[in-house]
Amino acid sequence: GIQVEQSPPDLILQEGANSTLRCNFSDSVNNLQWFHQNPWGQLINLFYIPSGTKQNGRLSATTVATERYSLLYISSSQTTDSGVYFCAVFGYKHSGGGADGLTFGKGTHLIIQP
Amino acid sequence: DAEITQSPRHKITETGRQVTLACHQTWNHNNMFWYRQDLGHGLRLIHYSYGVQDTNKGEVSDGYSVSRSNTEDLPLTLESAASSQTSVYFCASRPGLGGNEQFFGPGTRLTVL
Repeated sequence: GIQVEQSPPDLILQEGANSTLRCNFSDSVNNLQWFHQNPWGQLINLFYIPSGTKQNGRLSATTVATERYSLLYISSSQTTDSGVYFCAVFGYKHSGGGADGLTFGKGTHLIIQP
Repeated sequence: DAEITQSPRHKITETGRQVTLACHQTWNHNNMFWYRQDLGHGLRLIHYSYGVQDTNKGEVSDGYSVSRSNTEDLPLTLESAASSQTSVYFCASRPGLGGNEQFFGPGTRLTVL
């Protein structure tokens, strides 16, 4: 099946700093999502971005499907940005006999210190 | 507002007991999914359903079953709970085909003693 790798696994920053999280995937995809899992365990949809660039406030994301990677940018970090950021994909080559659903990376654990 | 809910949010049970976790969505999505989350593994797919009376196995389906009697609900049953099934369980739904966005419930933390 498709492989998803996220980097870095851990990131500690001061409040106000900017960061870039990376997601590499091993095959063509027709869905890519970024999630934020907050300290209470809830998964929050950040972006649905199989290709192109999107922005939502201080967060933006870019997926370059032809090169099989996506980037999540967080600017002017706040302590509430802390948590784990997951990238998840659904691959084009899903076919009969293969399982549906998203394939998740192992996440980037982000800590924003005041 | 449409939403997806899970119950209970926390449960402690004993080895060998049958446990059912509920998932309810009000988006009228045909596709529903169950995932488990364990430290170091991200989320992994347990079962999924494309509609009423349809169920399919995912990556880690052993020891779990689901049933789909209506569009809104996909309960997950652990037939005989094992300590290895201690995990956080997430339900999700999606409109239409695989390329569409998935939406997740708040999760159920299950502890099997």
